[in-house]
Amino acid sequence: GEDVEQSLFLSVREGDSSVINCTYTDSSSTYLYWYKQEPGAGLQLLTYIFSNMDMKQDQRLTVLLNKKDKHLSLRIADTQTGDSAIYFCAESIERTGFQKLVFGTGTRLLVSP
Amino acid sequence: DVKVTQSSRYLVKRTGEKVFLECVQDMDHENMFWYRQDPGLGLRLIYFSYDVKMKEKGDIPEGYSVSREKKERFSLILESASTNQTSMYLCASRGFLGTYEQYFGPGTRLTVT
Repeated sequence: GEDVEQSLFLSVREGDSSVINCTYTDSSSTYLYWYKQEPGAGLQLLTYIFSNMDMKQDQRLTVLLNKKDKHLSLRIADTQTGDSAIYFCAESIERTGFQKLVFGTGTRLLVSP
Repeated sequence: DVKVTQSSRYLVKRTGEKVFLECVQDMDHENMFWYRQDPGLGLRLIYFSYDVKMKEKGDIPEGYSVSREKKERFSLILESASTNQTSMYLCASRGFLGTYEQYFGPGTRLTVT
């Protein structure tokens, strides 16, 4: 089936690192994504990783992919209060010639000063 | 920059009313999507369209219909609104090329009383 799982909440202090975890089900996913949703807004693409990569770094963001365990993580270094948001992971799934995204439940990150 | 706009940020409707949610994208994208977002459930796909006048059911199409008469516009229709359709509705679009990421509008928070 199609199921992407994330923990619902994470709370960290400003300056610490945050790690948000995700497990997915479809081993044929081509791309995996991290989206950020700020209060009252739509989703913005933060970063993505191609399925043949293990790691991708983009400034304060590090994405790790463990294909064997179907586990994806997002690490935010030096977390700031502006990073408080809901973070969604998503996998791309091929269905009858069409790529669709399956989203996780979202992890609400709260950064305290 | 891709821009996806939705006709309303907030909407309050009565049970039984017919409701139209409009979405417009300016990037000539072929694919457009409607999701609903509920706490703890993440994003669930209602309908998508891969071309003008084409539509496909997503995971939760019951109680909804869609219309795509022009490439840039994708409408979600609640034929007879019910209280369990109170939710955040997000529209997204995507082109055929690239990494399959979807670009989201700001969302419409619909309350059905």
